[in-house]
Amino acid sequence: QQQVKQSPQSLIVQKGGISIINCAYENTAFDYFPWYQQFPGKGPALLIAIRPDVSEKKEGRFTISFNKSAKQFSLHIMDSQPGDSATYFCAASKAQGGSEKLVFGKGMKLTVNP
Amino acid sequence: DAGVIQSPRHEVTEMGQEVTLRCKPISGHNSLFWYRQTMMRGLELLIYFNNNVPIDDSGMPEDRFSAKMPNASFSTLKIQPSEPRDSAVYFCASRLSGAGVGTQYFGPGTRLTVL
Repeated sequence: QQQVKQSPQSLIVQKGGISIINCAYENTAFDYFPWYQQFPGKGPALLIAIRPDVSEKKEGRFTISFNKSAKQFSLHIMDSQPGDSATYFCAASKAQGGSEKLVFGKGMKLTVNP
Repeated sequence: DAGVIQSPRHEVTEMGQEVTLRCKPISGHNSLFWYRQTMMRGLELLIYFNNNVPIDDSGMPEDRFSAKMPNASFSTLKIQPSEPRDSAVYFCASRLSGAGVGTQYFGPGTRLTVL
């Protein structure tokens, strides 16, 4: 059972463009939604995270948009750069009073062309 | 600061052999996670420990897999006997309880190839 569904599986954008990655979750008990970034040969690293009490969180060129009623959240990368080329994973968990387990999406490979 | 340390970085073995993967979490972190990453299944949690105690091993594929955490600074994941379908990248991650459940710090991974 895949509790977090991520799309698209891959994306190619030009430098300066906007990259958008979408995720949908099933478990309404989830209340913590991080995004991880993974470069080839490296482990995933936390990029940005959001809780459902806000609809948007921005850190630099990276923005998470959250739609609780639709059980969806997305990552927007503004002014995409070749250095952003990586695999991006969304994840979900219960932040309080629940398991520490993170459920990850399948990942999306982003390629930003110069 | 040293991050999560994993060894070996690459392991090539033959089917039926025992494989032991090692992890040193970030000093002071009290939760440790073992993940497996493959193209087909993505990133899967195998087991996690809290204060050296296994909390959830529901992701361990079968009895051939075992994990231990004898102290706060060391953990092992053992596969015996290994099979070609175990070929994957295995990650160890650690976190400090109370830092937010998503703040897991991953190691560089061990790429395992079973021939």
